[in-house]
Amino acid sequence: EPEVTQTPSHQVTQMGQEVILRCVPISNHLYFYWYRQILGQKVEFLVSFYNNEISEKSEIFDDQFSVERPDGSNFTLKIRSTKLEDSAMYFCASIPGGKEQYFGPGTRLTVT
Amino acid sequence: LAKTTQPISMDSYEGQEVNITCSHNNIATNDYITWYQQFPSQGPRFIIQGYKTKVTNEVASLFIPADRKSSTLSLPRVSLSDTAVYYCLVGNNAGNNRKLIWGLGTSLAVNP
Repeated sequence: EPEVTQTPSHQVTQMGQEVILRCVPISNHLYFYWYRQILGQKVEFLVSFYNNEISEKSEIFDDQFSVERPDGSNFTLKIRSTKLEDSAMYFCASIPGGKEQYFGPGTRLTVT
Repeated sequence: LAKTTQPISMDSYEGQEVNITCSHNNIATNDYITWYQQFPSQGPRFIIQGYKTKVTNEVASLFIPADRKSSTLSLPRVSLSDTAVYYCLVGNNAGNNRKLIWGLGTSLAVNP
């Protein structure tokens, strides 16, 4: 069964550094999402991406964040200058066009 | 997007049927009700989705009354591996904006 993959599984970075989180959605899926989950808290929507552009973003997704689909397969989330409060699990999800969102295993980002 | 309310936690024993109820008083006409399961440090996994009445698949049933202001996820004969957090979400499947708004979910503990 095809699945969404994410790399790295765990990223440790220092405050102020740039990080790029990578996701490989299931091929032929049309819609792509990034969510984050701070430890012990709820899953929060960050951004949705369709037809090679952002379709919606939350208030969390400020100028420090950007998304790209550089080569038609990978889907990346970049945080330009990380803050301590960016420490969280980041999940990528994709949808083929129907009802179910397929989530990746997540990247645990630790900002020190 | 409709807000959902569900119990914070539930306890059960192996082999029992578990029913988790979610209220969504402000559900819109176009909204579907979707349930996800999440294990610690993993991405959420789709369980079931419905619009009205009853939906059943190989893992669960979803009961939705006529007014659609609530729904009940039913897990038959739970096992220890069903210990997880269960999220109830409402939203529509149309267009390119299908972001999910998450609550805190229901933490289900299945005991031997």
